[in-house]
Amino acid sequence: DSGVTQTPKHLITATGQRVTLRCSPRSGDLSVYWYQQSLDQGLQFLIQYYNGEERAKGNILERFSAQQFPDLHSELNLSSLELGDSALYFCASSADRSISRTDTQYFGPGTRLTVL
Amino acid sequence: GEDVEQSLFLSVREGDSSVINCTYTDSSSTYLYWYKQEPGAGLQLLTYIFSNMDMKQDQRLTVLLNKKDKHLSLRIADTQTGDSAIYFCAETHYGGSQGNLIFGKGTKLSVKP
Repeated sequence: DSGVTQTPKHLITATGQRVTLRCSPRSGDLSVYWYQQSLDQGLQFLIQYYNGEERAKGNILERFSAQQFPDLHSELNLSSLELGDSALYFCASSADRSISRTDTQYFGPGTRLTVL
Repeated sequence: GEDVEQSLFLSVREGDSSVINCTYTDSSSTYLYWYKQEPGAGLQLLTYIFSNMDMKQDQRLTVLLNKKDKHLSLRIADTQTGDSAIYFCAETHYGGSQGNLIFGKGTKLSVKP
């Protein structure tokens, strides 16, 4: 158990819908990362938040957004869903005690999203 | 540019050693990681090495780093059927403003009894 929790474990929805994935980082970790794992693209970085602020963006679609709350949990919002958005979405957290420091990332169990 | 490459499949017999290879292209100071993913599960951190090291050993796991060739390997001694999984090599940058991991496609290790 990494200490990172994600809910829900599975999500089935229809095209055009909007969903929210939730992540709680390890206690005390300031950074949260979101990754997407799909068969064709592999594991891709989407976005990082550090202590409530967006810090880095990867291959995140405009239909997707995220935020990190004062208690450091994070949510990933996916809207206008398409079939191709079906994937495993992972959250990871790391301590990153200062803005210039990158610590080991620990992953949650993931949310499997199926868009029908 | 940044790219991490791995072979896709490896099959070994139980009790043998497994060696999973990875190449990376970024030449700046970096951490290199090995993660394990079992079917239907998340990513489990196995071990990591900083780019100024040559080797790291942790029980049955040995990581070797050849900085000149930008080649990283993970050796699993006395491989067991429970080691069957997908192994991901990943890199990130130390001290940078972006800490995201760049992953390889993963190597699927099959262990035959």
